[in-house]
Amino acid sequence: DIQMTQSPASLSASLGETVTIECRASEDIYNGLAWYQQKPGKSPQLLIYNANSLHTGVPSRFSGSGSGTQYSLKINSLQSEDVASYFCQQYYNYPLTFGSGTKLEIK
Amino acid sequence: QVQLKESGPGLVQPSQTLSLTCTVSGFSLTSYNVHWVRQPPGKGLEWMGRMRYNGDTSYNSALKSRLSISRDTSKNQVFLKMNSLQTDDTGTYYCTRSAYYSRFAYWGQGTLVTVSS
Repeated sequence: DIQMTQSPASLSASLGETVTIECRASEDIYNGLAWYQQKPGKSPQLLIYNANSLHTGVPSRFSGSGSGTQYSLKINSLQSEDVASYFCQQYYNYPLTFGSGTKLEIK
Repeated sequence: QVQLKESGPGLVQPSQTLSLTCTVSGFSLTSYNVHWVRQPPGKGLEWMGRMRYNGDTSYNSALKSRLSISRDTSKNQVFLKMNSLQTDDTGTYYCTRSAYYSRFAYWGQGTLVTVSS
């Protein structure tokens, strides 16, 4: 199974700041990576697919990058509505696996 | 519009069998894949298995011995059955849709399952 190691586990930042969340795969996943946002009590929402493609309707302050085994999600100009948990997911191979999540809070 | 909705018992006794239904609308089960993903309270997401558009299934090896996924295309429903439930099976169970690539743009609202006597 491909292990996804996500960091940090939690993050506190001020409004307007830029934050970055990282995901490392245990083997090359050839950009088969998605990022999700999950607000408390809600289902996950797709933000990014193919490592760097923005899903329809997602604000452009969200961006994804990376290749091989290393990937990142960047949020520019942090807004209050960005308070959530964020998860990465690899879909290069089965079983599908997720990162352990990053809880983002506002300072 | 695309919708998925999970239903099932909120409480299951230890060692018993969990049965969940995912009812879909806005798309055909013969054109898209439906997956089950679960999340223990306050924890991360775990992929459980999928029903492919052609009726094939695949499972997470960690759950394979206990898990079965089936469907009724005439009712637009996908079913999950998992036996020998234990307390660490407590969590929210989601069904979600994928096309060729297994990324998830559409999710159900989730259903909370508590395993307790």
